[in-house]
Amino acid sequence: EIVMTQSPATLSVSPGERVTLSCRASQSVNRNLAWYQHKPGQSPRLVIYAASARATGIPARFSGSGSGTEFSLTISSLQSEDFALYFCQQYDNWPPRYTFGQGTKLEI
Amino acid sequence: EVQLVESGGGLVQPGGSLRLSCEASGFTLSDYSLNWVRQAPGKRLEWIAYISGNAKTVFYSESVKGRFTISRDDANNLVYLQMSSLRDEDTAVYYCARDHLDGGNRHFDSWGRGITVTVS
Repeated sequence: EIVMTQSPATLSVSPGERVTLSCRASQSVNRNLAWYQHKPGQSPRLVIYAASARATGIPARFSGSGSGTEFSLTISSLQSEDFALYFCQQYDNWPPRYTFGQGTKLEI
Repeated sequence: EVQLVESGGGLVQPGGSLRLSCEASGFTLSDYSLNWVRQAPGKRLEWIAYISGNAKTVFYSESVKGRFTISRDDANNLVYLQMSSLRDEDTAVYYCARDHLDGGNRHFDSWGRGITVTVS
């Protein structure tokens, strides 16, 4: 099984800052990598898929990069609504298989 | 608006059974594959089951294979997860998530808010 490792576990940042979250795969996943945002009491929300494609409705301040085993999610200028848990997910197209990172919490 | 709403969770004894439901709205359910994902306390998310849009293909994680069954009722916009032989380690928040395949890239483009299952 492919293991996804995110770092750091928690990131203390301020509004307006630029932040980069990391996700590492134990073996190559090509560009089969998605990022999600999860706020308490809400449904997880797709942010990035295919490593760098922004999901519908996601602001341009969010960007994803990477391939193979190293990936990153960058938020160029943090807004108050961006403080949340972010987790990465790798996927096998067929058969469908998914594994998740443990998450990075962005806090003020 | 696309919505997925889970129900049917609760407290169950080890060895017992429970059926979770996921009610879909805002889209044609039969056009999509669906998944169940869970998160045990202090653990990362774990994908556990997949069902194709035509219900002919299902897949399970090794941790639930043989104990859990995913099914769907498109006429009533429902996806189910029948759980049996429940164990303490099945205690988790369970999410349903819509599967989306876009140009060869698979991801979950919509999730429910989750429902808690406690095995004790």
